[in-house]
Amino acid sequence: GAVVSQHPSRVICKSGTSVKIECRSLDFQATTMFWYRQFPKKSLMLMATSNEGSKATYEQGVEKDKFLINHASLTLSTLTVTSAHPEDSSFYICSAGTSGTYNEQFFGPGTRLTVL
Amino acid sequence: GQNIDQPTEMTATEGAIVQINCTYQTSGFNGLFWYQQHAGEAPTFLSYNVLDGLEEKGRFSSFLSRSKGYSYLLLKELQMKDSASYLCAVRPPNSGYALNFGKGTSLLVTP
Repeated sequence: GAVVSQHPSRVICKSGTSVKIECRSLDFQATTMFWYRQFPKKSLMLMATSNEGSKATYEQGVEKDKFLINHASLTLSTLTVTSAHPEDSSFYICSAGTSGTYNEQFFGPGTRLTVL
Repeated sequence: GQNIDQPTEMTATEGAIVQINCTYQTSGFNGLFWYQQHAGEAPTFLSYNVLDGLEEKGRFSSFLSRSKGYSYLLLKELQMKDSASYLCAVRPPNSGYALNFGKGTSLLVTP
């Protein structure tokens, strides 16, 4: 099946700093990638849809200037959490859509962000 | 919009059968997915239904009734490793790959 990787898997940063998370499709090209946030024991909350070569589409309530998304190539999307605060601590998961039997999303392993 | 409901938690015994229900109220429908997610890991695809009926894949089966806005995931011969969160997701029409997820059902399998 299609493989999606994320880097880093864990990151701890100080309040006020910025953190970049990378999402890569390893064996397929993804014109569309998705960024989710997940709180403990909660479901996935879609933050934004990342389209290669164009601006990301953000969900209501998600600050686009705080969560910068860049999808510069067909295999890489990045999420930058700018001026991070402790309330930004969460599990961030990306996924990529690929044409296939079900056109399902394949998920990356997630990034655990802790802001001190 | 999409309103997707699942039970929050379920407990079942090893070797037993468990059914996880999902109901949805949507302004359109283009398929329903079930994903499994172990704590701290990525969700993994389990099943897809777009037509009414039962889809069977080994120990897991998924059922869909579009007229009732209802699906269930059936897990047979439960194993301890089946303890995980099970996410129901509906694809809206004309949405590409986008999915709307329910809040997930946390399943605990006990000895």
